Amino acid sequence: GDSVTQMEGPVTLSEEAFLTINCTYTATGYPSLFWYVQYPGEGLQLLLKATKADDKGSNKGFEATYRKETTSFHLEKGSVQVSDSAVYFCALSSGGGADGLTFGKGTHLIIQP
Amino acid sequence: DSGVTQTPKHLITATGQRVTLRCSPRSGDLSVYWYQQSLDQGLQFLIQYYNGEERAKGNILERFSAQQFPDLHSELNLSSLELGDSALYFCASRSGTGNSPLHFGNGTRLTVT
Repeated sequence: GDSVTQMEGPVTLSEEAFLTINCTYTATGYPSLFWYVQYPGEGLQLLLKATKADDKGSNKGFEATYRKETTSFHLEKGSVQVSDSAVYFCALSSGGGADGLTFGKGTHLIIQP
Repeated sequence: DSGVTQTPKHLITATGQRVTLRCSPRSGDLSVYWYQQSLDQGLQFLIQYYNGEERAKGNILERFSAQQFPDLHSELNLSSLELGDSALYFCASRSGTGNSPLHFGNGTRLTVT
Protein backbone atom coordinates (compact mmCIF):
# COMPACT_ATOMS: atom_id res chain seq x y z
CA GLY A 1 0.00 0.00 0.00
CA ASP A 2 0.85 3.66 -0.06
CA SER A 3 3.23 5.04 2.52
CA VAL A 4 5.06 8.25 3.37
CA THR A 5 8.31 8.45 5.30
CA GLN A 6 9.56 11.72 6.69
CA MET A 7 12.30 12.63 9.08
CA GLU A 8 11.13 12.65 12.64
CA GLY A 9 11.98 15.48 14.92
CA PRO A 10 12.16 17.51 16.72
CA VAL A 11 14.26 19.55 14.34
CA THR A 12 15.71 22.60 16.08
CA LEU A 13 17.14 25.48 14.07
CA SER A 14 18.13 29.05 14.68
CA GLU A 15 16.21 31.89 13.08
CA GLU A 16 17.32 32.60 9.47
CA ALA A 17 18.76 29.11 9.04
CA PHE A 18 18.09 27.00 5.94
CA LEU A 19 15.46 24.31 6.37
CA THR A 20 15.12 20.93 4.72
CA ILE A 21 12.60 18.33 5.84
CA ASN A 22 12.95 15.10 3.91
CA CYS A 23 9.98 13.17 2.61
CA THR A 24 9.95 10.01 0.49
CA TYR A 25 6.96 8.01 -0.61
CA THR A 26 5.81 4.67 -1.93
CA ALA A 27 2.71 4.62 -4.08
CA THR A 28 1.12 2.93 -7.04
CA GLY A 29 0.49 5.07 -10.07
CA TYR A 30 1.07 8.79 -10.04
CA PRO A 31 0.11 10.31 -6.71
CA SER A 32 -0.40 13.95 -5.85
CA LEU A 33 1.86 15.18 -3.08
CA PHE A 34 1.15 17.64 -0.30
CA TRP A 35 2.75 19.36 2.65
CA TYR A 36 0.53 20.34 5.54
CA VAL A 37 1.42 22.41 8.60
CA GLN A 38 -0.14 22.16 12.04
CA TYR A 39 0.31 25.02 14.49
CA PRO A 40 -0.29 24.35 18.20
CA GLY A 41 -3.95 23.88 19.00
CA GLU A 42 -5.04 24.03 15.37
CA GLY A 43 -5.97 21.70 12.56
CA LEU A 44 -3.82 20.89 9.57
CA GLN A 45 -3.47 23.58 6.94
CA LEU A 46 -2.42 22.95 3.38
CA LEU A 47 1.00 24.51 2.82
CA LEU A 48 1.72 23.48 -0.77
CA LYS A 49 1.08 20.75 -3.29
CA ALA A 50 2.33 19.22 -6.53
CA THR A 51 0.31 17.01 -8.81
CA LYS A 52 2.85 15.67 -11.32
CA ALA A 53 6.53 14.92 -11.70
CA ASP A 54 8.87 17.95 -11.68
CA ASP A 55 6.12 20.25 -10.42
CA LYS A 56 7.28 22.67 -7.76
CA GLY A 57 4.84 23.72 -5.07
CA SER A 58 5.54 26.93 -3.19
CA ASN A 59 3.90 29.05 -0.52
CA LYS A 60 5.05 31.46 2.22
CA GLY A 61 8.70 30.97 1.25
CA PHE A 62 8.46 27.17 1.41
CA GLU A 63 9.14 25.04 -1.67
CA ALA A 64 9.02 21.36 -2.58
CA THR A 65 9.68 19.66 -5.91
CA TYR A 66 7.98 16.41 -6.97
CA ARG A 67 10.86 14.07 -7.85
CA LYS A 68 9.54 10.89 -9.40
CA GLU A 69 12.96 9.35 -9.97
CA THR A 70 13.79 9.50 -6.27
CA THR A 71 10.16 9.30 -5.05
CA SER A 72 10.78 12.36 -2.91
CA PHE A 73 9.09 15.64 -2.03
CA HIS A 74 11.50 17.42 0.32
CA LEU A 75 10.34 20.65 1.95
CA GLU A 76 12.78 23.60 1.92
CA LYS A 77 12.87 27.19 3.11
CA GLY A 78 15.78 29.54 2.73
CA SER A 79 15.43 31.49 5.96
CA VAL A 80 13.16 30.27 8.74
CA GLN A 81 11.42 32.43 11.31
CA VAL A 82 10.26 31.73 14.84
CA SER A 83 6.70 31.79 13.52
CA ASP A 84 7.50 28.73 11.36
CA SER A 85 7.65 26.58 14.49
CA ALA A 86 5.00 23.90 13.94
CA VAL A 87 4.54 20.26 12.94
CA TYR A 88 4.90 19.57 9.22
CA PHE A 89 3.24 16.61 7.51
CA CYS A 90 4.04 15.18 4.11
CA ALA A 91 1.12 13.40 2.45
CA LEU A 92 0.10 11.75 -0.77
CA SER A 93 -3.10 10.96 -2.57
CA SER A 94 -3.32 8.22 -5.12
CA GLY A 95 -6.46 9.69 -6.57
CA GLY A 96 -10.02 8.54 -6.93
CA GLY A 97 -11.18 10.23 -3.77
CA ALA A 98 -11.26 7.13 -1.63
CA ASP A 99 -9.03 6.72 1.39
CA GLY A 100 -8.20 10.38 1.67
CA LEU A 101 -4.55 11.16 2.13
CA THR A 102 -1.74 8.98 3.44
CA PHE A 103 0.30 10.99 5.91
CA GLY A 104 3.80 10.75 7.23
CA LYS A 105 4.25 10.83 11.00
CA GLY A 106 5.02 14.54 11.05
CA THR A 107 8.16 16.54 11.80
CA HIS A 108 8.15 18.90 14.75
CA LEU A 109 10.12 22.03 13.83
CA ILE A 110 11.38 24.36 16.54
CA ILE A 111 12.92 27.69 15.53
CA GLN A 112 14.92 29.47 18.20
CA PRO A 113 15.47 33.25 18.11
CA ASP B 1 -10.24 29.56 8.29
CA SER B 2 -10.64 26.28 6.38
CA GLY B 3 -14.44 26.47 6.33
CA VAL B 4 -14.72 23.11 8.10
CA THR B 5 -16.41 23.36 11.50
CA GLN B 6 -16.07 20.81 14.26
CA THR B 7 -17.87 20.71 17.57
CA PRO B 8 -17.25 20.43 20.40
CA LYS B 9 -13.70 21.68 20.70
CA HIS B 10 -13.02 19.70 23.86
CA LEU B 11 -14.74 16.69 25.37
CA ILE B 12 -13.97 15.01 28.67
CA THR B 13 -15.76 11.81 29.53
CA ALA B 14 -15.36 8.59 31.46
CA THR B 15 -14.50 5.09 30.31
CA GLY B 16 -17.45 3.13 29.01
CA GLN B 17 -19.33 6.22 27.87
CA ARG B 18 -20.48 7.20 24.39
CA VAL B 19 -19.86 10.51 22.63
CA THR B 20 -20.77 12.12 19.32
CA LEU B 21 -18.47 14.43 17.40
CA ARG B 22 -19.93 16.69 14.75
CA CYS B 23 -18.49 18.09 11.54
CA SER B 24 -19.81 20.56 9.00
CA PRO B 25 -17.83 20.45 5.76
CA ARG B 26 -16.96 23.39 3.55
CA SER B 27 -19.87 24.65 1.53
CA GLY B 28 -20.26 22.48 -1.54
CA ASP B 29 -17.86 19.73 -0.46
CA LEU B 30 -19.46 16.32 -0.78
CA SER B 31 -16.67 14.24 0.77
CA VAL B 32 -16.02 14.07 4.49
CA TYR B 33 -13.10 12.28 6.10
CA TRP B 34 -12.44 11.47 9.75
CA TYR B 35 -8.94 11.13 11.18
CA GLN B 36 -7.62 10.30 14.62
CA GLN B 37 -4.40 11.91 15.79
CA SER B 38 -2.56 10.50 18.77
CA LEU B 39 1.01 10.90 19.92
CA ASP B 40 1.99 7.29 19.33
CA GLN B 41 0.00 6.52 16.16
CA GLY B 42 0.21 9.80 14.30
CA LEU B 43 -2.62 10.65 11.91
CA GLN B 44 -4.82 7.64 11.22
CA PHE B 45 -7.55 7.64 8.60
CA LEU B 46 -10.79 6.36 10.05
CA ILE B 47 -13.55 6.63 7.48
CA GLN B 48 -14.78 8.56 4.44
CA TYR B 49 -18.26 9.52 3.31
CA TYR B 50 -19.29 10.87 -0.04
CA ASN B 51 -22.69 12.48 -0.47
CA GLY B 52 -24.19 10.42 2.33
CA GLU B 53 -22.64 7.08 1.41
CA GLU B 54 -19.73 5.38 3.09
CA ARG B 55 -16.85 5.37 0.58
CA ALA B 56 -13.83 3.97 2.39
CA LYS B 57 -12.84 2.61 5.77
CA GLY B 58 -9.48 2.83 7.41
CA ASN B 59 -8.38 1.87 10.89
CA ILE B 60 -11.76 2.39 12.48
CA LEU B 61 -12.68 0.29 15.50
CA GLU B 62 -15.99 -1.55 15.61
CA ARG B 63 -16.92 0.60 18.63
CA PHE B 64 -16.79 3.63 16.35
CA SER B 65 -19.31 4.53 13.68
CA ALA B 66 -20.08 7.51 11.51
CA GLN B 67 -22.70 8.85 9.19
CA GLN B 68 -23.24 11.70 6.81
CA PHE B 69 -26.63 13.38 6.69
CA PRO B 70 -28.56 14.83 3.73
CA ASP B 71 -27.30 18.33 4.58
CA LEU B 72 -23.78 16.83 4.31
CA HIS B 73 -22.79 17.31 7.92
CA SER B 74 -21.25 14.25 9.51
CA GLU B 75 -21.14 12.71 12.95
CA LEU B 76 -18.60 10.33 14.44
CA ASN B 77 -19.93 8.18 17.25
CA LEU B 78 -17.51 6.65 19.73
CA SER B 79 -18.88 4.13 22.22
CA SER B 80 -17.60 1.99 25.09
CA LEU B 81 -14.79 4.47 25.40
CA GLU B 82 -11.40 3.38 26.64
CA LEU B 83 -8.48 5.40 27.95
CA GLY B 84 -6.64 4.73 24.69
CA ASP B 85 -9.33 6.52 22.71
CA SER B 86 -8.08 9.84 24.08
CA ALA B 87 -6.88 11.72 21.02
CA LEU B 88 -7.57 14.57 18.64
CA TYR B 89 -10.26 13.75 16.10
CA PHE B 90 -10.18 15.70 12.87
CA CYS B 91 -12.74 16.06 10.18
CA ALA B 92 -11.73 17.10 6.68
CA SER B 93 -13.64 17.77 3.49
CA ARG B 94 -12.75 17.79 -0.15
CA SER B 95 -14.45 19.15 -3.22
CA GLY B 96 -12.99 16.97 -5.92
CA THR B 97 -10.88 13.92 -6.51
CA GLY B 98 -7.42 12.82 -5.50
CA ASN B 99 -5.61 15.84 -6.88
CA SER B 100 -7.49 18.24 -4.66
CA PRO B 101 -6.37 18.81 -1.08
CA LEU B 102 -8.26 18.01 2.08
CA HIS B 103 -9.40 20.94 4.21
CA PHE B 104 -9.27 20.23 7.91
CA GLY B 105 -11.29 21.46 10.84
CA ASN B 106 -9.61 22.42 14.11
CA GLY B 107 -10.44 19.09 15.67
CA THR B 108 -12.14 17.79 18.79
CA ARG B 109 -9.86 16.89 21.67
CA LEU B 110 -11.30 13.88 23.46
CA THR B 111 -10.07 13.00 26.92
CA VAL B 112 -11.26 9.73 28.44
CA THR B 113 -10.68 9.47 32.19
